[in-house]
Amino acid sequence: DTGVSQNPRHKITKRGQNVTFRCDPISEHNRLYWYRQTLGQGPEFLTYFQNEAQLEKSRLLSDRFSAERPKGSFSTLEIQRTEQGDSAMYLCASSSPGSQPNEQFFGPGTRLTVL
Amino acid sequence: SQQGEEDPQALSIQEGENATMNCSYKTSINNLQWYRQNSGRGLVHLILIRSNEREKHSGRLRVTLDTSKKSSSLLITASRAADTASYFCATAARASSYKLIFGSGTRLLVRP
Repeated sequence: DTGVSQNPRHKITKRGQNVTFRCDPISEHNRLYWYRQTLGQGPEFLTYFQNEAQLEKSRLLSDRFSAERPKGSFSTLEIQRTEQGDSAMYLCASSSPGSQPNEQFFGPGTRLTVL
Repeated sequence: SQQGEEDPQALSIQEGENATMNCSYKTSINNLQWYRQNSGRGLVHLILIRSNEREKHSGRLRVTLDTSKKSSSLLITASRAADTASYFCATAARASSYKLIFGSGTRLLVRP
């Protein structure tokens, strides 16, 4: 499968714990995006990487959130001291510089439940 | 905040009927995309229409774009039960075209 992959698919954690999600983009896609989606809503942009550089962070990304893409390939999203309001689906997407502007390919998502 | 708004929020039709969903947005755009999401799953890219295009077809999908009204429509013809999903429009603003802004979606139910 050459699509975007995300791990884990589901994560249940207790409030106050730290969690880390991983995203593997489509090979050779240099742009990688993280979105968050709550129930009944569309995805909301969190952050964006071009290669290893994090070029924008949404105001939704509080100090408890950090994302990295150290080698310009896979990316991790860490949430520290999780809160119940962090419960959501976290989606990763990637795009190629050769594709239509902003034609993004999404992974299956990681569903986070904070108890 | 959400830029696009889909209408209707929910739609229930019989298999074989056509389904039409509308999307409105607020700012100037480079392009507009439609995505499908099955329950609890990731998004699947359906079709992209550029700001200088007015209509585009892909299989049973037909998308129109009216930049003067800042609106788009997605038509699914001859619907199937497998089309049951949520459908989202997404826009990329000119100023920051790498970022997608999604509407709240239309939940489509196709009854067999």
